[in-house]
Amino acid sequence: GAGVSQSPSNKVTEKGKDVELRCDPISGHTALYWYRQSLGQGLEFLIYFQGNSAPDKSGLPSDRFSAERTGGSVSTLTIQRTQQEDSAVYLCASSLISARNEKLFFGSGTQLSVL
Amino acid sequence: AQSVTQLGSHVSVSEGALVLLRCNYSSSVPPYLFWYVQYPNQGLQLLLKYTTGATLVKGINGFEAEFKKSETSFHLTKPSAHMSDAAEYFCAVSDPLGGGYNKLIFGAGTRLAVHP
Repeated sequence: GAGVSQSPSNKVTEKGKDVELRCDPISGHTALYWYRQSLGQGLEFLIYFQGNSAPDKSGLPSDRFSAERTGGSVSTLTIQRTQQEDSAVYLCASSLISARNEKLFFGSGTQLSVL
Repeated sequence: AQSVTQLGSHVSVSEGALVLLRCNYSSSVPPYLFWYVQYPNQGLQLLLKYTTGATLVKGINGFEAEFKKSETSFHLTKPSAHMSDAAEYFCAVSDPLGGGYNKLIFGAGTRLAVHP
């Protein structure tokens, strides 16, 4: 596609429910990132995928959070047993290659509200 | 640990006035520095980046930033603000301990308002 696509754009859920957030990176981009944008915390790194390498999960805040990337393309971020503090905008980004100076392309995000 | 500080969570300027958004960083090694802009209901877009070479970096939409090692700063400027510049601006540094990829550490952001 022309850009990074995320779905849904908005998700409202009840505390304790599981949610799945989807990210479609730009075609051909090998690296994929998830970030969380929340009031008071700013933008936080969550997880990074590169090809078939083991992902860098160092930013995941708890074991309720997990992510996978199938076939080196689409990624799903899953939050189990959601809590109110999980309410945030979840941003996905991709880049053509993995390098420290590489430009990241961001999607518009999924606004998650946990009631 | 690397960190980024953006002075001023909100900045307001008149149309046609100078825009100055401040960013200071801490890094144990020569940094890679970025400015991203986020328009309402959109994802972040790269404005400009500094990696090596010339310390004055020009980006899109007339923005530029200067890397000053002695001041550990990377302030963003634009000579004349347009109404369309109203957005949130994020300064970021690439974590040198991030494993060779662009693991960005962001500042808290500065919301720029432009009034007629």
